[in-house]
Amino acid sequence: KAGVTQTPRYLIKTRGQQVTLSCSPISGHRSVSWYQQTPGQGLQFLFEYFSETQRNKGNFPGRFSGRQFSNSRSEMNVSTLELGDSALYLCASSPEGRKQETQYFGPGTRLLVL
Amino acid sequence: GQNIDQPTEMTATEGAIVQINCTYQTSGFNGLFWYQQHAGEAPTFLSYNVLDGLEEKGRFSSFLSRSKGYSYLLLKELQMKDSASYLCAVSPGNTDKLIFGTGTRLQVFP
Repeated sequence: KAGVTQTPRYLIKTRGQQVTLSCSPISGHRSVSWYQQTPGQGLQFLFEYFSETQRNKGNFPGRFSGRQFSNSRSEMNVSTLELGDSALYLCASSPEGRKQETQYFGPGTRLLVL
Repeated sequence: GQNIDQPTEMTATEGAIVQINCTYQTSGFNGLFWYQQHAGEAPTFLSYNVLDGLEEKGRFSSFLSRSKGYSYLLLKELQMKDSASYLCAVSPGNTDKLIFGTGTRLQVFP
């Protein structure tokens, strides 16, 4: 089975712009979670989607949003970019998103905001 | 609140044994995961503990004590390729999301 894929891998934007990141989960996985990883904060949970519905949400401002399509692919959008949004954005998939399930991570999208 | 603590950095010598500790305080508990992340790469799953005790998987073992809110990852016969960050993550009881620690960066020297 192919792993989790994310596009693009690298992105440079300027403050105030918006960005859309894409994640394709492992075939058959219906849960997709998004994380922001920074050196100081580690991995922080953004949100989780299951069957096209946001099921869980972390403590991020409304500028961060996402959606999931019927084929389980997910997109994440960040509007009005700030310098502090520079980070590695990881998505992870699991079959049903249950507590005990292992999450499989994609390679991430490295976003740099100038 | 929810909190996970692990050391920021550790160093060890090739062939040695290293123990990476993780303590947690969460609202409920549904299991603890360890992930390995090489620089510039995605985290990869190492182990999952939900019951007290030691889980052994080759050179890697993971231990859990729920009453103490404590886990450790034990790496034996260290190899240079074990140089990576090791992330401890807890599945709390009141939500399906994972809470991650900031990770322990392990450097293995020859």
